[in-house]
Amino acid sequence: GAGVSQSPSNKVTEKGKDVELRCDPISGHTALYWYRQSLGQGLEFLIYFQGNSAPDKSGLPSDRFSAERTGGSVSTLTIQRTQQEDSAVYLCASSLAGYGETQYFGPGTRLLVL
Amino acid sequence: GNSVTQMEGPVTLSEEAFLTINCTYTATGYPSLFWYVQYPGEGLQLLLKATKADDKGSNKGFEATYRKETTSFHLEKGSVQVSDSAVYFCALRDSNYQLIWGAGTKLIIKP
Repeated sequence: GAGVSQSPSNKVTEKGKDVELRCDPISGHTALYWYRQSLGQGLEFLIYFQGNSAPDKSGLPSDRFSAERTGGSVSTLTIQRTQQEDSAVYLCASSLAGYGETQYFGPGTRLLVL
Repeated sequence: GNSVTQMEGPVTLSEEAFLTINCTYTATGYPSLFWYVQYPGEGLQLLLKATKADDKGSNKGFEATYRKETTSFHLEKGSVQVSDSAVYFCALRDSNYQLIWGAGTKLIIKP
């Protein structure tokens, strides 16, 4: 079946603009995760959804970042008033459940803030 | 807190060489351990995993054994190919759901 998909694959924006990043998880996967991969660094956890609820938002770097998930499926990560330090690859992953299951990753959205 | 440390890259080898990429971890409890691979231009893919001590994960000729006594999960392959060139990430998941990641090791295989 289809894997995790993300859109857009690349996004270039100007500092101060808002951006929305989309993630379509694998069908039937109840858990969804967002990570950020900055240049030369490892992956950083942002937020986790179980169904439509986000029990842990602790990884969001600032209040400019928000995420939602609707219908237990698609998730949107929104970054308001983007800053240059937001430039990174944003990765989405999904799994069958929040614990004990392998996370499957999408190809990522490469965000560049000018 | 929990953390993962893996050897810095890039690691450059000739085709058919033996590969070891070291990974050690710090964690409370009994974490599950993973190796993910990111081929050029592609997304992260699970390579192998181990969920308890002494388990050996294997896939595509790669192996890693969960060593609780040395808190390690080193990745090995007996004979690498050019197509193995990628970035390899070691990660752990403890009683929580988050994956804690190493910084990644870039592997370059020369023909």
